[in-house]
Amino acid sequence: DADVTQTPRNRITKTGKRIMLECSQTKGHDRMYWYRQDPGLGLRLIYYSFDVKDINKGEISDGYSVSRQAQAKFSLSLESAIPNQTALYFCATSDPGTGPGYTFGSGTRLTVV
Amino acid sequence: AQSVTQLDSQVPVFEEAPVELRCNYSSSVSVYLFWYVQYPNQGLQLLLKYLSGSTLVKGINGFEAEFNKSQTSFHLRKPSVHISDTAEYFCAVSEPSGTYKYIFGTGTRLKVLA
Repeated sequence: DADVTQTPRNRITKTGKRIMLECSQTKGHDRMYWYRQDPGLGLRLIYYSFDVKDINKGEISDGYSVSRQAQAKFSLSLESAIPNQTALYFCATSDPGTGPGYTFGSGTRLTVV
Repeated sequence: AQSVTQLDSQVPVFEEAPVELRCNYSSSVSVYLFWYVQYPNQGLQLLLKYLSGSTLVKGINGFEAEFNKSQTSFHLRKPSVHISDTAEYFCAVSEPSGTYKYIFGTGTRLKVLA
């Protein structure tokens, strides 16, 4: 099994729908992150969490919300999806005990039509 | 504020030729620097990182990068590329503040030609 698992791998949804992307990890890392990747823009940080009770906005959090259900689970929600949220979404983890460096999931490709 | 610039969006190179992927950063404080590789339909994988110490950093798959503080650069090099190196490469910077939030560059697509 992968260290960081994202579900679903691909999703097509309609404008206005609520959708949740899920991330679970077996690394035992406290820190989890959600990024979105757009062609030509690289990866941009949406939200990050240092533990279950510590959740922080990233640079592009508008239109998104997150839930840290447990140390191992970090979900990203789009409350009312819009077409410009079409992107590749990545979850990542890190552990300050082992120094900086992320472990990434394989990504969720989301298309909003 | 930090920023990262990858000057080349695409780099074509023939197999067994050397390659350099360029990365420049701006920051008012000291930084950690990273290179990640993304193969098609996969997540990002850490190639190498510079935290402190020797400015020449060796990574996986024969890649290396050199931190140049005066030129604020962290260019990635490989002396001889293979077809399997075809991928997108991302440079990233992070402040050593403990948050480990990255600022990513826009990526360079390396295409190795037979």
